[in-house]
Amino acid sequence: DFVMTQSPDSLAVSLGERATINCKSSQSLLSSSNNKNYLAWFQQKPGQPPKVLISWASTRESGVPDRFSGSGSGTDFTLTISSLQAEDVADYYCQQYHSSPITFGQGTRLEIK
Amino acid sequence: QVQLVQSGAEVKKPGASVKISCKASGYTFSNYAIHWVRQAPGQRLEWMGCIKVGNGDTQYSEHFQDRVTIIRDTSASTAYMELSSLRSEDTAVYYCVRGNGPGSWLFDNWGQGSLVTVSS
Repeated sequence: DFVMTQSPDSLAVSLGERATINCKSSQSLLSSSNNKNYLAWFQQKPGQPPKVLISWASTRESGVPDRFSGSGSGTDFTLTISSLQAEDVADYYCQQYHSSPITFGQGTRLEIK
Repeated sequence: QVQLVQSGAEVKKPGASVKISCKASGYTFSNYAIHWVRQAPGQRLEWMGCIKVGNGDTQYSEHFQDRVTIIRDTSASTAYMELSSLRSEDTAVYYCVRGNGPGSWLFDNWGQGSLVTVSS
């Protein structure tokens, strides 16, 4: 299985400041056939299902604010929130969809400092 | 708009089975895959398997290979996930999730979740 490891497990950031969450895969998520990284980021608020923010490591989904961005390639990826808003308080998960079984990181809890 | 509406909460005894439904609306059911993901308390999200709705082909996580069955009823635009031989560790919220193509592993829309509690 591809093991996904996020860091940190929790993060407290002041409103308006930058938040950065890292995700490391045990194997490369870069496909040689299409040069795409099979990595997605999800946001989950309490009592709600996860919501996809980013796919293909850096493609923002429709309707996702542009303060959210994804970067990285191969085994190391980052989700950045450029200016934290109160509504961004949530759990964040990375997910690889390169190989079966699809696997997720353990999650990062983002709070306001 | 795309909606996935799941069946309600269930309480089951160890050793029993549970079958959860996921009714799709707002799109052509046969053109997209349906995945099942669970979230146990304090645990990471866990993918269980998926079905290509168009042809019924399934793929399961080896972690559930012998216990999970995913089927679909195209006439009812509904997918089902059955988990057998339940144990306490199966207590979790179970989600159906749409893949963004016929066999896609890229998730887009999620159901609201179905809580399954396994307790004697």
